Amino acid sequence: TQLLEQSPQFLSIQEGENLTVYCNSSSVFSSLQWYRQEPGEGPVLLVTVVTGGEVKKLKRLTFQFGDARKDSSLHITAAQPGDTGLYLCAGGDTNFGNEKLTFGTGTRLTIIP
Amino acid sequence: EAEVAQSPRYKITEKSQAVAFWCDPISGHATLYWYRQILGQGPELLVQFQDESVVDDSQLPKDRFSAERLKGVDSTLKIQPAELGDSAMYLCASSFRGVYNEQFFGPGTRLTVL
Repeated sequence: TQLLEQSPQFLSIQEGENLTVYCNSSSVFSSLQWYRQEPGEGPVLLVTVVTGGEVKKLKRLTFQFGDARKDSSLHITAAQPGDTGLYLCAGGDTNFGNEKLTFGTGTRLTIIP
Repeated sequence: EAEVAQSPRYKITEKSQAVAFWCDPISGHATLYWYRQILGQGPELLVQFQDESVVDDSQLPKDRFSAERLKGVDSTLKIQPAELGDSAMYLCASSFRGVYNEQFFGPGTRLTVL
């Protein structure tokens, strides 16, 4: 069974601060996605990384895929209240053409104005 | 913009009753997923369809849960009888096969079993 552990589980910081969320596994994934979910809604895809060592930037968000494709991080610069939500990483696995995602344990982020 | 549709958004039922959830994926997406999410945790896969065929239902409690996608488009997830522990968010997602497992989620159905 593939497991993805996220840390921290909860994070509450002031507006304008920087933060990093980590996603770790002992398994290798073919791809890694990050999603953000707001209360009462479904997760929304933020980014997909597929190459070991890959770094992608989305405005104030920077995503990195580990060299061995087992871990990932999400860094937010100058956090804003609109960044508040549940952040989920998800590892992709294509086995015999059956594509599935394993979701991480989640990080609940609260940005205080 | 294309979206995954789910209904109802909220459902309150008593234990031992039957409930059903409906999902309409993004047009052209052959793969459809049903997930269960406990508050504050990551979604857990219940069942995965490729067109009308089930490709993974290993985590589906088959004694009470059933899912179908008869024409390979929309899908229904049923629980009968519902138990208190079934209270959760039920999410439907779809993907276009071959695109790095990127999944697009519907708004979910919040189920409360009393």
